[in-house]
Amino acid sequence: DTGVSQDPRHKITKRGQNVTFRCDPISEHNRLYWYRQTLGQGPEFLTYFQNEAQLEKSRLLSDRFSAERPKGSFSTLEIQRTEQGDSAMYLCASSLEYGQVPYEQYFGPGTRLTVT
Amino acid sequence: DQQVKQNSPSLSVQEGRISILNCDYTNSMFDYFLWYKKYPAEGPTFLISISSIKDKNEDGRFTVFLNKSAKHLSLHIVPSQPGDSAVYFCAARDGAQKLVFGQGTRLTINP
Repeated sequence: DTGVSQDPRHKITKRGQNVTFRCDPISEHNRLYWYRQTLGQGPEFLTYFQNEAQLEKSRLLSDRFSAERPKGSFSTLEIQRTEQGDSAMYLCASSLEYGQVPYEQYFGPGTRLTVT
Repeated sequence: DQQVKQNSPSLSVQEGRISILNCDYTNSMFDYFLWYKKYPAEGPTFLISISSIKDKNEDGRFTVFLNKSAKHLSLHIVPSQPGDSAVYFCAARDGAQKLVFGQGTRLTINP
C-alpha cells in the first residue's frame, strides 16, 4: 500500500494529557499537510510542510500544538495539555508540488482523538 | 467567514439518474478547485479537479463545471450508482497552497 498512512487511528485521552500523532506521506511527495475535521464540518487547514520546512500555520494552531517533519519524510503532530475542544479527526495529506504545477492532495485515513 | 459553501447538507437521487452537487465560493483568488468523496471512518478521496482558467473537466462519470462570474462550481455524476453514496466535499486552493473546504453534502443513491 503506497498511500498516506496515519498512526494511531484512534486515541482516547484524558484532559490535560499530551498526545502525538504520526503521518507517513506518499514517498515521493514533498508537501505534507495537517487538517482537523469536526462533526458536520469540512476539514480545516492547520499547517503544511515543504520537505522539512514548515511554511504556514493556521491561527487554529494554538501554542499547545506543534508539528515537525524532521527529515522531510514522516511528520508528527503533538498536542500538549489536551482540552475537550481538541476532540476531532486529525487528517494528514500529501502532494507533489513542482514549480507552479499543482497536484492534488491525497489524504490518509485520519486519527480520531477523543478527549474525556 | 465561510469562503466555500455547500448549501445542501443532503441529496437523494435514484440510481441511474444524474446527481448534481453544488458549491459556492467568495474568494476570487482561488486558483484550483477539487471535489473529494468521503466514506465513514476514512479520509477524503480525491475525485476530480479543475483549474480556474477552465470551465469544464470530465473524467468518466464525473464532470465538474466552473462558473467564475457566479463563483459557483458543480459536480455532475451520471449515471449515479449505489457506490456513489458518500459525503462529497468541495475544496478550493488558495495562493498559499492550502485547501479550503465546504461543509459537505451527503449523497444517497436509492436503488
